[in-house]
Amino acid sequence: QPVLTQSSSASASLGSSVKLTCTLSSGHSRYIIAWHQQQPGKAPRFLMKLEDSGGYNKGSGISDRFSGSSSGPDRYLTISNLQFEDEADYYCETWDSDTNWVFGGGTKLTVL
Amino acid sequence: EVQLVESGGGLVKPGGSLRLSCVVSEFTFNKAWMSWVRQAPGKGLEWVGRIKSKADGGTTDYAAPVKGRFTISRDDSKNTLYLQLNSLETEDTAMYYCTTVGIDILTGHNYFDHWGQGTLVTVSS
Repeated sequence: QPVLTQSSSASASLGSSVKLTCTLSSGHSRYIIAWHQQQPGKAPRFLMKLEDSGGYNKGSGISDRFSGSSSGPDRYLTISNLQFEDEADYYCETWDSDTNWVFGGGTKLTVL
Repeated sequence: EVQLVESGGGLVKPGGSLRLSCVVSEFTFNKAWMSWVRQAPGKGLEWVGRIKSKADGGTTDYAAPVKGRFTISRDDSKNTLYLQLNSLETEDTAMYYCTTVGIDILTGHNYFDHWGQGTLVTVSS
């Protein structure tokens, strides 16, 4: 079963960029993942599907400030020109035909 | 724009039952695979279960903590997804979200691509 590891917290200044990481467990480094954003008190929102190649497909209406990339078992979410509205929890998830879905523990992003 | 609207949450005693509903609009519901995800207060996201489209067999699959107690069903004539919760435990207290399941055409990989706003289930005596 794949395991996804995320840092519990991150912070960056208004207007800067931040790169969040989701790491796949050994033996699962080629898995596709998805990133989701959950603003305080709101439901999650799908941001993008991200492949091991670094190619990604974003959800409808997702800002150009959000992009994805990959390196080995690491999947990245980069947010540029940070805004206060980007302050949220960010979750990665992946799927396996045997075990179905797993989520990372989430990263709480603070915009300073 | 795709909309998913859940309802049916509430306060229930341990051992009790509840049925949640999720109405989906602006989406080809009858072809969609659907899922439920929950989030306990202050915790992360946890997958609950999934139902395939009837064309793909309509089969269900569940996470280990809810298997045998929860049942997912669908009514394509009403664009509605259901989650029947039986033998509820305090650990089932959570916000329950319905989601659509996106399927990557090339790889068959599944992922959640639309979320509802959630409905809160509280299990307490």
